[in-house]
Amino acid sequence: AQSVTQLDSQVPVFEEAPVELRCNYSSSVSVYLFWYVQYPNQGLQLLLKYLSGSTLVKGINGFEAEFNKSQTSFHLRKPSVHISDTAEYFCAVSDLASGGSNYKLTFGKGTLLTVNP
Amino acid sequence: DTGVSQDPRHKITKRGQNVTFRCDPISEHNRLYWYRQTLGQGPEFLTYFQNEAQLEKSRLLSDRFSAERPKGSFSTLEIQRTEQGDSAMYLCASSRRGGGVETQYFGPGTRLLVL
Repeated sequence: AQSVTQLDSQVPVFEEAPVELRCNYSSSVSVYLFWYVQYPNQGLQLLLKYLSGSTLVKGINGFEAEFNKSQTSFHLRKPSVHISDTAEYFCAVSDLASGGSNYKLTFGKGTLLTVNP
Repeated sequence: DTGVSQDPRHKITKRGQNVTFRCDPISEHNRLYWYRQTLGQGPEFLTYFQNEAQLEKSRLLSDRFSAERPKGSFSTLEIQRTEQGDSAMYLCASSRRGGGVETQYFGPGTRLLVL
């Protein structure tokens, strides 16, 4: 079975500061990794995904993440945050351990990023 | 591409009542997922459809829950005899079969409150 651990439930930062949101996963097979963002009272929007290839993945809104297989991590980073980045961020993993075509996502508990002026 | 839509956005009901939610996926997306998100938690998988066939159900989906996707288009999720523990955000996502891992696009969710 796969699982995702987001190490920080809340991360407060000041505007224009860099930020890193940490994510570790466990799975017995090859995985696909995702970061989603959720603004208040809205659904989830995909920020970026890692399927294969280059371990550094760039996404929308200036975010990037690095896949580290040996450390089973997929940390999300942004060099300079804005007030508008305040939201809940979810790391998720998908695999085909169960077989078939169901690429269901297993999510972490989320990290609330609060950007202060 | 108008995105995934869900209706209603909010639902307040009394314990014991039945509720039904609707999800309209992105046109031509043949895969559809339902997730449940409780306060302070990430979404949890409930069930999965490929076209009209329901291929997997989570153990979270008790006998009071039923989902359908007639004709492989929109989907409904019904909860019978609601309980206070059913209060949550119900999220729908769709994706298009592309021979590999596809991006799941999420709707805005239906927030259910059971009194």
